[in-house]
Amino acid sequence: KQEVTQIPAALSVPEGENLVLNCSFTDSAIYNLQWFRQDPGKGLTSLLLIQSSQREQTSGRLNASLDKSSGRSTLYIAASQPGDSATYLCAETSGGGADGLTFGKGTHLIIQP
Amino acid sequence: GAVVSQHPSRVICKSGTSVKIECRSLDFQATTMFWYRQFPKQSLMLMATSNEGSKATYEQGVEKDKFLINHASLTLSTLTVTSAHPEDSSFYICSAKGYSRYNEQFFGPGTRLTVL
Repeated sequence: KQEVTQIPAALSVPEGENLVLNCSFTDSAIYNLQWFRQDPGKGLTSLLLIQSSQREQTSGRLNASLDKSSGRSTLYIAASQPGDSATYLCAETSGGGADGLTFGKGTHLIIQP
Repeated sequence: GAVVSQHPSRVICKSGTSVKIECRSLDFQATTMFWYRQFPKQSLMLMATSNEGSKATYEQGVEKDKFLINHASLTLSTLTVTSAHPEDSSFYICSAKGYSRYNEQFFGPGTRLTVL
C-alpha cells in the first residue's frame, strides 16, 4: 500500500513570506502528483499537476517540483497572502492514471495578516 | 470545462435509513469515477473505483454491501449508503476521469453526511 506523507502538519507564517510545503511518497511507479487546496468544510481545488516525466509546474505564485528518484515533491508559495490560508493536500497516482489517488494528511496553513 | 457536481451537498438522516449521493460529470464523459471519504481532520481515503457499465472495485476494508455504487452512464455515478449508522457520518467526495490529458481526475464539491 502506497503512502504519502506531508510535513509539516501545520504552519503559521506572517503575510508576505515565501514558504515551502513538503510531500514524500513511497510509490516508485508514480504516474502523476497533484497538489490541492481545501478550505474548511469544502471540496478540493486542484492547484498543480505534475506528470512523472516532469520536474516542475508553475501557476502564478505557486511552483511545484517533483523528484521521482527521491520520492519527494514540494509546493512553493511566493509572497503569501491571508487568502492562501487553507489545508494543502498532496496526492499521487500510479497505474497509468487509472488508479485512485493516494492522499497525504495535508498541511494546515495559516497566513497571519 | 471538466466540471463535476454532487447532489445533495448536505444530508442529515436517521440511523438505519439509506442515503443516495449522485455524482455527475457535466461537460465530459467520465470513463471512470472514484469515491472518496474524509473523516474530520483526516485526509481523503479512496473507497471504490467504478467504470461505466461494470461493477465497482472496492478498497480493502470498504463493505461493498453497505456502500452500493452504480455507474449507469458515462456522466452519472451514485453511491448509496445502506442502513446508515452514526459512524458513517463523513464527507463523501467523488471524482471523475475521462479522456483528459494526464488522466487527470476532476473532483466534485463533496457531500456532508450526518447520521443521527
